[in-house]
Amino acid sequence: DAKTTQPNSMESNEEEPVHLPCNHSTISGTDYIHWYRQLPSQGPEYVIHGLTSNVNNRMASLAIAEDRKSSTLILHRATLRDAAVYYCILTTPYGGATNKLIFGTGTLLAVQP
Amino acid sequence: EAQVTQNPRYLITVTGKKLTVTCSQNMNHEYMSWYRQDPGLGLRQIYYSMNVEVTDKGDVPEGYKVSRKEKRNFPLILESPSPNQTSLYFCASSWRGNADTQYFGPGTRLTVL
Repeated sequence: DAKTTQPNSMESNEEEPVHLPCNHSTISGTDYIHWYRQLPSQGPEYVIHGLTSNVNNRMASLAIAEDRKSSTLILHRATLRDAAVYYCILTTPYGGATNKLIFGTGTLLAVQP
Repeated sequence: EAQVTQNPRYLITVTGKKLTVTCSQNMNHEYMSWYRQDPGLGLRQIYYSMNVEVTDKGDVPEGYKVSRKEKRNFPLILESPSPNQTSLYFCASSWRGNADTQYFGPGTRLTVL
């Protein structure tokens, strides 16, 4: 299974942009890049996902490198509620060899007021 | 409201006493799965189900059973719980597979004495 590498922790100030990096050098051509986050005492929640092109939604933006070996989750204006563990996960689409979802250790984002 | 529910949310039990953690989703999702989360090990998939009567092992299936008799329910069964199964458990569902957005339940904190 293709793995991802993320920094263990990052810090940000409130209302500033945050760039959370993820390396996935063994990504295959059909793997999607998903981001989830886990707020304290809650289950993980979906943030965003993409395949090749950059993606935007109401929560965040996802910038994918041209060679797809890395990606960056961008929170445009961090709030205290964004303090969470962020997971970058590669997923195999339907019919792939595995239907497992493999979480790494993620990046713990601290947001300072 | 679209949601995944788990019961109980907290459970303390003793070694060897069979227990079941229920999981239910109201989104007509085909794919459901169970994870356990432990400090330093992150989220690990226990079992998943692609549809009714179709289940398969995840990364850490030993000591667990599941069943999928109805689309909405995916109970996790511990026939003879042991202390090393003390953990935080999450159920998740998605439309068809791991490449779709996963919706997670609130978690069940299990302590086996």
